Amino acid sequence: EVQLLESGGGLVPPGGSLRLSCAVSGFTFSNYAMNWVRQAPGKGLEWVSAISDSGRRTYDADYVKGRFTISRDNSKNTLYLQMNSLRAEDTALYYCAKFIKGGVYLGNGIDVWGQGTMVTVSS
Amino acid sequence: QSVLTQPPSVSAAPGQKVTISCSGSSSNIGNNYVSWYLHLPGTAPKLLVYDNNKRPSGIPDRFSGSKSDTSATLGITGLQTGDEADYYCGTFDSSLNAVVFGGGTKVTVL
Repeated sequence: EVQLLESGGGLVPPGGSLRLSCAVSGFTFSNYAMNWVRQAPGKGLEWVSAISDSGRRTYDADYVKGRFTISRDNSKNTLYLQMNSLRAEDTALYYCAKFIKGGVYLGNGIDVWGQGTMVTVSS
Repeated sequence: QSVLTQPPSVSAAPGQKVTISCSGSSSNIGNNYVSWYLHLPGTAPKLLVYDNNKRPSGIPDRFSGSKSDTSATLGITGLQTGDEADYYCGTFDSSLNAVVFGGGTKVTVL
């Protein structure tokens, strides 16, 4: 069974840092590009970052550039999101998500999603 | 403000059909594949359609996708109470070099 299990969320003050992890099982992790997608309370889905299957190429939404870093460890089947300089508007449920196809085309559908980990930025 | 525009809500009676539109531009829908997702807040989103009109295994043919120029449409036939959810379109925007989603459409079964 394909599974994505996020962890690392929590309450952090503005300006603080947090590292999210996503443990993957049930498919060959190193064959697929991966994403982080978030949903703020009462808002819609918002893409955050993506990373190629090898980890050599990364892509970020403008609102997280310079603050968030996506990375992966294919030997550990784990995806990460390092979040620095957190702001109140970063408060959201963060989903780890897999593209349906191999390759790094960002127009591919996203077919597997985790249950999400909640990040709350507040003093 | 989302790059892709969807109606906030649509509704229909059980057994009827609804369509959800997704309007974009040449930098996104016009030159890229479109996907559609069903989402109940707080749960994992579900992929309904990818590559404009393909369904993943396990998705019934009540759900269909189409694309024309810079717009895409999701159709749901034989509406069921279990279809009540938020629906999102998504694609790649080559100007932003980013994945973009529509603002979401809430489907209500009357």
